[in-house]
Amino acid sequence: ETGVTQTPRHLVMGMTNKKSLKCEQHLGHNAMYWYKQSAKKPLELMFVYSLEERVENNSVPSRFSPECPNSSHLFLHLHTLQPEDSALYLCASSQVEDASDTQYFGPGTRLTVL
Amino acid sequence: GDSVTQMEGPVTLSEEAFLTINCTYTATGYPSLFWYVQYPGEGLQLLLKATKADDKGSNKGFEATYRKETTSFHLEKGSVQVSDSAVYFCALARPGGSQGNLIFGKGTKLSVKP
Repeated sequence: ETGVTQTPRHLVMGMTNKKSLKCEQHLGHNAMYWYKQSAKKPLELMFVYSLEERVENNSVPSRFSPECPNSSHLFLHLHTLQPEDSALYLCASSQVEDASDTQYFGPGTRLTVL
Repeated sequence: GDSVTQMEGPVTLSEEAFLTINCTYTATGYPSLFWYVQYPGEGLQLLLKATKADDKGSNKGFEATYRKETTSFHLEKGSVQVSDSAVYFCALARPGGSQGNLIFGKGTKLSVKP
């Protein structure tokens, strides 16, 4: 499946580094999402962009900074992360007009913070 | 509030066994219901969905029926294969049209032995 792509697939960074995760959707959707998946925890919604405007920010620490330059691209900028931020970060997209609210996910970026 | 409860795993089956993974939900209105599957090292893939009561979603031999009276959406497959080993997530989309409104269960890990 290549509808939603994410790069890099794996990332190891120190706590003082700055890095960015990239997501691109090729489905013509107009809403995009960042989720965090940690071991033993339910999937956590982090950010939502609908029609390129941020519509939800679920109390995510400011060391995570999203950016949505257009409806096809979504970034998650990372700086001064903590080891507990190590997780799988998933991007998803959907069509605002889709009454079923179906979201399509990318393969994820496995982040390890040392 | 709205929630999804699915049976805790792990579930271990022999190849060709019958699979049932229970999922019940709590929601106001008429949510869309989904099953997503996550294979090792990958992101979530939409497996099937149903958008109204008595709808049956099906894909790759998996089925689930939207039961309003029992608020359930149990996943079934008549004969599992080793390749079905994965984590399965039940989810609902809260009605109301807002983005970012998917609620996930905690996931059920399925292991199929040859």
